Amino acid sequence: ETGVTQTPRHLVMGMTNKKSLKCEQHLGHNAMYWYKQSAKKPLELMFVYNFKEQTENNSVPSRFSPECPNSSHLFLHLHTLQPEDSALYLCASSQQDRGIETQYFGPGTRLLVL
Amino acid sequence: AQSVTQLGSHVSVSEGALVLLRCNYSSSVPPYLFWYVQYPNQGLQLLLKYTSAATLVKGINGFEAEFKKSETSFHLTKPSAHMSDAAEYFCAVSVTTGGYQKVTFGTGTKLQVIP
Repeated sequence: ETGVTQTPRHLVMGMTNKKSLKCEQHLGHNAMYWYKQSAKKPLELMFVYNFKEQTENNSVPSRFSPECPNSSHLFLHLHTLQPEDSALYLCASSQQDRGIETQYFGPGTRLLVL
Repeated sequence: AQSVTQLGSHVSVSEGALVLLRCNYSSSVPPYLFWYVQYPNQGLQLLLKYTSAATLVKGINGFEAEFKKSETSFHLTKPSAHMSDAAEYFCAVSVTTGGYQKVTFGTGTKLQVIP
């Protein structure tokens, strides 16, 4: 248990559906991240929020829409996804620690797009 | 820009044998380095991190890693493998860019432990 929870753990959706992934951190951190993990590819950083402000968007398609209402919660809204979007979506949070940010990860949401 | 290379996408060792997972990094500034472990259907868990305080870093579950600047390496080792060590291991490098830290992960190494 890392203090970062994600729901749902598994999600199957059609290409026309709209769904949301939720992440909550109980560590008092001020930064939160969304990553995409696909087979045989490095972790892909999607979005970064620092103090609720989006500080990075790595050219992610607009069918992925993040929302960070406060420093403890992070959402990823999904709509009109493609089969190639099937992957494990990981949320992480971090806090400065003697000048080093260590990221703590949630268990992930396994997404399958049909 | 920084990068991480993990040599060997799959490594097999016998139970009780030495575990050695290789990681080489590239960075134009002094980096912070991390090793994470991922068990099936779980997120990444921090094993250890290099913070420049000591070149030999000890982590959880008996793992350790040594930072070698001259070789730009941060290899992960464990003297004796256990069946429970079977997992995927990720090396990561972090550098400060524009006031915040950017983390780059390697492609991962799957460790198989043979009874």
